[in-house]
Amino acid sequence: DSGVTQTPKHLITATGQRVTLRCSPRSGDLSVYWYQQSLDQGLQFLIHYYNGEERAKGNILERFSAQQFPDLHSELNLSSLELGDSALYFCASSAQGQPPIAFFGQGTRLTVV
Amino acid sequence: AQSVTQLGSHVSVSEGALVLLRCNYSSSVPPYLFWYVQYPNQGLQLLLKYTTGATLVKGINGFEAEFKKSETSFHLTKPSAHMSDAAEYFCAVSSYSSASKIIFGSGTRLSIRP
Repeated sequence: DSGVTQTPKHLITATGQRVTLRCSPRSGDLSVYWYQQSLDQGLQFLIHYYNGEERAKGNILERFSAQQFPDLHSELNLSSLELGDSALYFCASSAQGQPPIAFFGQGTRLTVV
Repeated sequence: AQSVTQLGSHVSVSEGALVLLRCNYSSSVPPYLFWYVQYPNQGLQLLLKYTTGATLVKGINGFEAEFKKSETSFHLTKPSAHMSDAAEYFCAVSSYSSASKIIFGSGTRLSIRP
């Protein structure tokens, strides 16, 4: 158990819909990362938050957004969903300091039908 | 910008044979390098990391990796494969100046033949 909790574990939704994925980082970790893992794209970095502020952005679509709340949990919002958004979405957290050691949650498997 | 290239999306070895998974990186600043492992239906977990100092780093489950700056490589090895090593392995790069962004390679699936 990495200490990172993601909910829900599975999500099935229709095209055009909007979903919210939730991540609770390890106790004390200030950084939260979101990744998308699909068969054709591999593991893609989406976004990194540190103590509530966006730190780095990767290949995140404009239809996707994220935020980190004062209690440090994070949410990834996916809207206007397309079939191609079906993937595993991972959250990871790391403690302050270098290097960043990412601890991953078990992921949310999103299926868009 | 930093990037990672993993050579070979799928590697198959016999049980007891040497495991070699290849990783090359690109970084304009001194890198931090990592290997992560992903077992089916699980998240990624850290195998080992290189930051500074000794270029040969040892990780869990008998794996080790060597940082070779001249070759921009960080290959993962294990002398003798075990059936339980079957998983997907990811190489990753970060740096002090990258605002803690961690970039992963595309992964290598390791299969072990009995």
